[in-house]
Amino acid sequence: RKEVEQDPGPFNVPEGATVAFNCTYSNSASQSFFWYRQDCRKEPKLLMSVYSSGNEDGRFTAQLNRASQYISLLIRDSKLSDSATYLCVVKGTGRRALTFGSGTRLQVQP
Amino acid sequence: SAVISQKPSRDICQRGTSLTIQCQVDSQVTMMFWYRQQPGQSLTLIATANQGSEATYESGFVIDKFPISRPNLTFSTLTVSNMSPEDSSIYLCSVGGRDISYEQYFGPGTRLTVT
Repeated sequence: RKEVEQDPGPFNVPEGATVAFNCTYSNSASQSFFWYRQDCRKEPKLLMSVYSSGNEDGRFTAQLNRASQYISLLIRDSKLSDSATYLCVVKGTGRRALTFGSGTRLQVQP
Repeated sequence: SAVISQKPSRDICQRGTSLTIQCQVDSQVTMMFWYRQQPGQSLTLIATANQGSEATYESGFVIDKFPISRPNLTFSTLTVSNMSPEDSSIYLCSVGGRDISYEQYFGPGTRLTVT
């Protein structure tokens, strides 16, 4: 089983739609959780950290369910510029390095 | 977040040769990491570059193939040795955030093609 699993997509949605991505992780001792965004042929960029209480940044909402070892990202009112690959990222215990999911590709269409 | 640069941005190399990739950060950072992203795949950690000591390699990566230097807190190099076409990939360095939140920031990457 992969440490971090994501639906690869692609998710094709119209502008203005709401879309949700899910991610599961296998290590129950994982400490920190993130969503990164990666545009084609670019480096990953931090989108947001994910906290147990859930957090929101504009149109983006991230949630963490530790009991189910599940992380989600909700994007409301999708824009064309949201088209990218969204990477679910987990930090385990004992080291600072991150483990990346394989990414979910989003294509927002006009 | 730190500003990270990498050189070269891309290269095409012949099999059997070696390439050294440089990563420069605009501020001192404790943690630096090297990742690989093969075509169509996600990121895989190669090693953690430790200042003043040997790098810590992940399973499947060895020092002879991917020697790493970390001479100070703002600079690191990764060498891809005795290259084969399977080494064609994007190589990214990253640095840890300044605080305890553990997020990381990435350099722009080096796109390597081995022929």
